[in-house]
Amino acid sequence: DVKVTQSSRYLVKRTGEKVFLECVQDMDHENMFWYRQDPGLGLRLIYFSYDVKMKEKGDIPEGYSVSREKKERFSLILESASTNQTSMYLCASKNPNSYEQYFGPGTRLTVT
Amino acid sequence: AQKVTQAQTEISVVEKEDVTLDCVYETRDTTYYLFWYKQPPSGELVFLIRRNSFDEQNEISGRYSWNFQKSTSSFNFTITASQVVDSAVYFCALSEPTGTASKLTFGTGTRLQVTL
Repeated sequence: DVKVTQSSRYLVKRTGEKVFLECVQDMDHENMFWYRQDPGLGLRLIYFSYDVKMKEKGDIPEGYSVSREKKERFSLILESASTNQTSMYLCASKNPNSYEQYFGPGTRLTVT
Repeated sequence: AQKVTQAQTEISVVEKEDVTLDCVYETRDTTYYLFWYKQPPSGELVFLIRRNSFDEQNEISGRYSWNFQKSTSSFNFTITASQVVDSAVYFCALSEPTGTASKLTFGTGTRLQVTL
C-alpha cells in the first residue's frame, strides 16, 4: 500500500514565523502535490512537483514556497506565516502513469 | 478552465436510507478523468473510484454505485442502504489529461451524516 506521511497532525505557529510542513511518500512516486482545504472551498492546489527539483505553481501559490531535494520528500514552506494561512494542509503523491493521487492524513495549521 | 460543482453542502439521512451525491463538471477537454474521494473524520482522503471520459458505463461496488452521464456532465454517486460508517465528506474531482502531472480540480465537497 502507498503510504504518505506528514510530519505533524496539528501545528500552532505565531504570525511571522517561518513554517515547514513535511511530506514523505514511500512508493517512489515522481509527482507530489500540496493542497489546502478550507470549509466551503474544497481542496485547492498550492504547488506541485513533477520530479526532484522540479516544481510548478498551482492555483494559490502566494505566500508559499516548496522544496523537493529528494524524490520521497516534498516540503511546503510558509516564509512568514499569517493568520489567513490557518487551514488544513494535505499532501498527495502519484505515479505519472496513473491518475489516482494518494493522500496523507493532513496537517491542521493554526496561525495566531 | 475546469470546474467541479457539488451543490449539496450537507446531507443528513437515517441509516438504511439510500442517498445520492451530485457532481457536475465543466471541461473543454475531450479526454479527462473523474474521481470520487471520501474523507472520514480522521482527515485522510481515500480514493473510491476513477472514471475516464470514454467509459459511460455505470459502476457498482457493493453498496456504492456511480452514474456517469456525459450528456449532462454529471458523475453522481449513490450509496444504497447507508450506514453510520459512511458519514464523511465526499469530494468529486476532475483530472486534466496526462502530460502535466494530471492535476486534480476538486469540488467543494458534500458532508454526509448518517444517523441511527
